[in-house]
Amino acid sequence: GQQLNQSPQSMFIQEGEDVSMNCTSSSIFNTWLWYKQDPGEGPVLLIALYKAGELTSNGRLTAQFGITRKDSFLNISASIPSDVGIYFCAGRPCGGGNNRKLIWGLGTSLAVNP
Amino acid sequence: DGGITQSPKYLFRKEGQNVTLSCEQNLNHDAMYWYRQDPGQGLRLIYYSQIVNDFQKGDIAEGYSVSREKKESFPLTVTSAQKNPTAFYLCASSPLGASGRTDTQYFGPGTRLTVL
Repeated sequence: GQQLNQSPQSMFIQEGEDVSMNCTSSSIFNTWLWYKQDPGEGPVLLIALYKAGELTSNGRLTAQFGITRKDSFLNISASIPSDVGIYFCAGRPCGGGNNRKLIWGLGTSLAVNP
Repeated sequence: DGGITQSPKYLFRKEGQNVTLSCEQNLNHDAMYWYRQDPGQGLRLIYYSQIVNDFQKGDIAEGYSVSREKKESFPLTVTSAQKNPTAFYLCASSPLGASGRTDTQYFGPGTRLTVL
């Protein structure tokens, strides 16, 4: 099935650094979602975006719905050890009608060195 | 507390046996989903249901079956026909409606199935 292009695949950073990751698609989307998954657990929703150009924050996290509707990015400021995990983007393509299937990226694995 | 529960957390089965994974939600969501997660492959959709007594195949439905007899419950059966069943299985749910906010899926804690 279709997948989003999520990058980088992995990151290893020092505590306190800022982090940026992004997702791109070849088609336009009407929803972008960002999730975080801890090992052995289900993904937890971080930020949901529903409108092109929308910029939304959740604490130290900020995400934007790209103006072209084909991309989204997630920034984490001043990283801390508990930010460690896998971050997934997901989105719903336009033109899907009542089909609520999401398209998923392969994830960005984040490691933080204290 | 509202949420999605999956049980058990860990499940072991012998090869050739069918096994059913439980998923229950009390969020009053109409849609429910089953995903499979393997290392490095992200989430792949197995089946989904948008209404009771109706469900659709996802991208990797072969070797799996589901039922949706109640709004709250969406059990997944991993049959002996599934060639590589060992994986982490995730259940999710979302509300339905015209608003884009109905695209947001909420996940359970997952079940790790190991077939010996």
